[in-house]
Amino acid sequence: DAGVTQSPTHLIKTRGQHVTLRCSPISGHKSVSWYQQVLGQGPQFIFQYYEKEERGRGNFPDRFSARQFPNYSSELNVNALLLGDSALYLCASSLEYTGNTIYFGEGSWLTVV
Amino acid sequence: AQKITQTQPGMFVQEKEAVTLDCTYDTSDPSYGLFWYKQPSSGEMIFLIYQGSYDQQNATEGRYSLNFQKARKSANLVISASQLGDSAMYFCAMRESLNTGNQFYFGTGTSLTVIP
Repeated sequence: DAGVTQSPTHLIKTRGQHVTLRCSPISGHKSVSWYQQVLGQGPQFIFQYYEKEERGRGNFPDRFSARQFPNYSSELNVNALLLGDSALYLCASSLEYTGNTIYFGEGSWLTVV
Repeated sequence: AQKITQTQPGMFVQEKEAVTLDCTYDTSDPSYGLFWYKQPSSGEMIFLIYQGSYDQQNATEGRYSLNFQKARKSANLVISASQLGDSAMYFCAMRESLNTGNQFYFGTGTSLTVIP
């Protein structure tokens, strides 16, 4: 069975541009969460979506948005990119809203220049 | 205040020896969960072990055990019989109460190097 898949794996963007990151959860998983991991730090929670509804939002500006599709896949969008947005963006899925076993993808490495 | 504190930026251990990675947490919520994840250089976070705040026994998963000391608010990870493949970053994480879904607070991590 496929694990959590994320795309693209690596990308380089220019300041001010927009980026869309994609995540496919494990088959049957209804919850998708997004985390940002800056180099040398632990991941920080951005969003959680469950059954296509936003169920949690971390302390991130409105430039960050996300959505979940009927097939439970998800997109993270970041507008007006800043140098500080350079990070590894991780997607995690679980069967239910609260799971003790949460599976992460390998992430999307975003570099803003 | 930091929710999760990992005070060991880097640790070295001899192959086949045991190692303890420290984690302290801060919460006033009586219901919480504590997690340990391993992150190899590929970036994926791999779930290792979970401990609920009401669990009476320390959690164990194969070579991993969690030394849960509630009064001290510590949740140290013990890896027994270290293997070369254990070299990675290790993160301690906490989720407060059941109403916050999968919103985790992570520490800054400990880099473990296993020496042959």
